[in-house]
Amino acid sequence: DSGVTQTPKHLITATGQRVTLRCSPRSGDLSVYWYQQSLDQGLQFLIQYYNGEERAKGNILERFSAQQFPDLHSELNLSSLELGDSALYFCASSVGPPSYEQYFGPGTRLTVT
Amino acid sequence: AQTVTQSQPEMSVQEAETVTLSCTYDTSESNYYLFWYKQPPSRQMILVIRQEAYKQQNATENRFSVNFQKAAKSFSLKISDSQLGDTAMYFCAFMKHETGANSKLTFGKGITLSVRP
Repeated sequence: DSGVTQTPKHLITATGQRVTLRCSPRSGDLSVYWYQQSLDQGLQFLIQYYNGEERAKGNILERFSAQQFPDLHSELNLSSLELGDSALYFCASSVGPPSYEQYFGPGTRLTVT
Repeated sequence: AQTVTQSQPEMSVQEAETVTLSCTYDTSESNYYLFWYKQPPSRQMILVIRQEAYKQQNATENRFSVNFQKAAKSFSLKISDSQLGDTAMYFCAFMKHETGANSKLTFGKGITLSVRP
């Protein structure tokens, strides 16, 4: 158990819908990262938050957004869902400098039908 | 931009034997970190080992060790005394050093390792 929690574990929804994925980082970790794992794209970085502020953006679609709240949990919002958004979404956390290790949550499996 | 290449899609090894997984990367950064992550059938991403680019000594963690060749931009993982529980997908990952906060991970496509009984 990495100490990072993600809910829900599985999500099945229809095209055009909106969903919210939730992540709670390890106690004391200030950085939260979101990654998407799909068969065709592999593991891709989406976005990073550090202590409530957006720190870096990767290949995140405009239909996707995220935020980190004062208690440091984070939410990833996916809207106008398409079949191609079906993937495993991971949240990872790290404490910040000088540590560089990222610990991953169990992931949320999103299926868009 | 950094790229990570894992050219072997699949490998198989007999239980108790040794196997080496290959990884190469491309970067213009001089200060960075390299990682191997394991993803078993449960899909959990588990950190196996890390290497700081400024360290010449290869990292080891129990049965896992790396061969880090900075000039060649090569970072291979050696698993000794392979166990059935080592069956998983293994990802090589790169992180550049940044001041102030950790950076993102850039992953290779992964290699599926099967350990045969």
